[in-house]
Amino acid sequence: RKEVEQDPGPFNVPEGATVAFNCTYSNSASQSFFWYRQDCRKEPKLLMSVYSSGNEDGRFTAQLNRASQYISLLIRDSKLSDSATYLCVVTEAGNKLTFGGGTRVLVKP
Amino acid sequence: NAGVTQTPKFRVLKTGQSMTLLCAQDMNHEYMYWYRQDPGMGLRLIHYSVGEGTTAKGEVPDGYNVSRLKKQNFLLGLESAAPSQTSVYFCASRETSGAFYNEQFFGPGTRLTVL
Repeated sequence: RKEVEQDPGPFNVPEGATVAFNCTYSNSASQSFFWYRQDCRKEPKLLMSVYSSGNEDGRFTAQLNRASQYISLLIRDSKLSDSATYLCVVTEAGNKLTFGGGTRVLVKP
Repeated sequence: NAGVTQTPKFRVLKTGQSMTLLCAQDMNHEYMYWYRQDPGMGLRLIHYSVGEGTTAKGEVPDGYNVSRLKKQNFLLGLESAAPSQTSVYFCASRETSGAFYNEQFFGPGTRLTVL
């Protein structure tokens, strides 16, 4: 079993719709959680950190469920520019950082 | 500030050739990382450094060597390239201050093909 798993997608989303996807992690001692965004043939960039109480940044909402060991990302009112691959990142003690394989989102007019 | 830069951007090697990838950052970050990204595999850590003069192995270190002679530079070497090393290589750096894990900043990547 991979340490950090994501549905590779693609999630085909009509413009203006809402899309949500999860990332599961295997280590219950994982400490920090992040969502990165990666555009085609570009480097990953931090989208948002994921806090225990959940957090929102504009149209993006991230949630953490420690009991079930997953994090989620929800995108409301999807824009064409939201088309990208979203990488889940989990850190453990000792600065070990593990990336998921990414979830591809395609927003279509 | 340029952030994190990588050279070269593209390279084609023949099996058995050697090369060095250069990563440079101007943010005075202590930590630097080398990853490779293959389709469906996510980013996998090759080697990392927690400061000038230090290096450590990551998840997939075999076939690679690194050096951190200067704080701002982190070099990744392939001594004898193999087709399995065809990949996109990303360098990253981050600060170490504070208890919270700080954001990693990535370079634009190097696309390497080994024939």
